[in-house]
Amino acid sequence: EVQLVESGGGLVKPGGSLRLSCAASGFTFSSYSMNWVRQAPGKGLEWVSSISSSSSYIYYADSVKGRFTISRDNAKNSLYLQMNSLRAEDTAVYYCARVRDPDDYSVDYWGQGTLVTVSS
Amino acid sequence: QSVLTQPPSVSGAPGQRVTISCTGSSSNIGAGYDVHWYQQLPGTAPKLLIYGNSNRPSGVPDRFSGSKSGTSASLAITGLQAEDEADYYCQSYDSSLSGPLFGTGTKVTVL
Repeated sequence: EVQLVESGGGLVKPGGSLRLSCAASGFTFSSYSMNWVRQAPGKGLEWVSSISSSSSYIYYADSVKGRFTISRDNAKNSLYLQMNSLRAEDTAVYYCARVRDPDDYSVDYWGQGTLVTVSS
Repeated sequence: QSVLTQPPSVSGAPGQRVTISCTGSSSNIGAGYDVHWYQQLPGTAPKLLIYGNSNRPSGVPDRFSGSKSGTSASLAITGLQAEDEADYYCQSYDSSLSGPLFGTGTKVTVL
């Protein structure tokens, strides 16, 4: 059974940093591209970042470029999101998501999400 | 700015058919990129409902169907059931973003 379990969320002050982790199991993690997708309270889904299976290709939404860093450790079946210079507008549930097909970016599995709250 | 526009809400009685539109532009749907649909039940993570415009993952009832034409796509739900009450999002790839773009979302209410 495919499982994606996020951790690392919490309350952080504006300008602060946080590192999210996603533990993957039930599939060959090293064969799949992965995404981070976020959802602000009461709002829609927003793509944050993508990383290819071997980390060769990395992309970011303009809203987080220069502040967030996506990475993965295939030996540990883990995906990460380092978030720096956090702003109030970064407050959201962050989902780790497996890309079903890297050619069309469809996502077939999602984690349960971890809440990040940026507030003083 | 790239956007996939969906109606904020649609509603229907049990057993009825409802459709949700997803309107894009030349940098996403109109460029030929596939459209996918997700269902998000209250308080849960999204679930893949349709991929590649019209394909259903295993386990998704055939009451759900998708189509695409030009710069738009649609999700149809036939035989509406109470358990279909959820938020629905379309998604495509956007060349301006160099990444996936989600629709604005549609809340389906079963009357």
